[in-house]
Amino acid sequence: GIQVEQSPPDLILQEGANSTLRCNFSDSVNNLQWFHQNPWGQLINLFYIPSGTKQNGRLSATTVATERYSLLYISSSQTTDSGVYFCAVESGETSGSRLTFGEGTQLTVNP
Amino acid sequence: EAQVTQNPRYLITVTGKKLTVTCSQNMNHEYMSWYRQDPGLGLRQIYYSMNVEVTDKGDVPEGYKVSRKEKRNFPLILESPSPNQTSLYFCASSLNGRAGWWEQFFGPGTRLTVL
Repeated sequence: GIQVEQSPPDLILQEGANSTLRCNFSDSVNNLQWFHQNPWGQLINLFYIPSGTKQNGRLSATTVATERYSLLYISSSQTTDSGVYFCAVESGETSGSRLTFGEGTQLTVNP
Repeated sequence: EAQVTQNPRYLITVTGKKLTVTCSQNMNHEYMSWYRQDPGLGLRQIYYSMNVEVTDKGDVPEGYKVSRKEKRNFPLILESPSPNQTSLYFCASSLNGRAGWWEQFFGPGTRLTVL
């Protein structure tokens, strides 16, 4: 099946810093989503981005499907950005729209 | 507000006591699925449903049942829970389950502990 690798696994920032999270995937994808899992365990949809670039406030994402990677940018980080960021993909080979998740990037933003 | 809801959000139970975790979506989505999240194992799909009365196994279906009698509801049933089913469970839905290209929306999660 498709492989999803996220980097870095852990990231510690000071409030106000910028960061880039990366997601590499091993095959062509129909769907790519970024999620933020907050300390209470909830999965928050950040972006649905199988290709192209999107921005939402301090967050933006870019997916280069032909090169099989996606980037999530967080600017001017805040303590509330802390949590785990997941990239999840769905490839055409799977039935039933199963998202395959990466292992996540654990982000800690210190005040 | 468009959303996926799950109940209960937290549950502590004992081995062998049947339980049901409900999932409901108000977006008229055809596709619904259940995932479990475990440390070191990530999120894994349990069951999915492409539409009413159409369900199929995901990666880890053992010990679980589902039903899809109505489009909006997709309950997860644990007939005889065991401690290895202690996990964080998520329900998800999307407009259509065929051929991808559809964003999936997740519920808030249900944290289950089986003693």
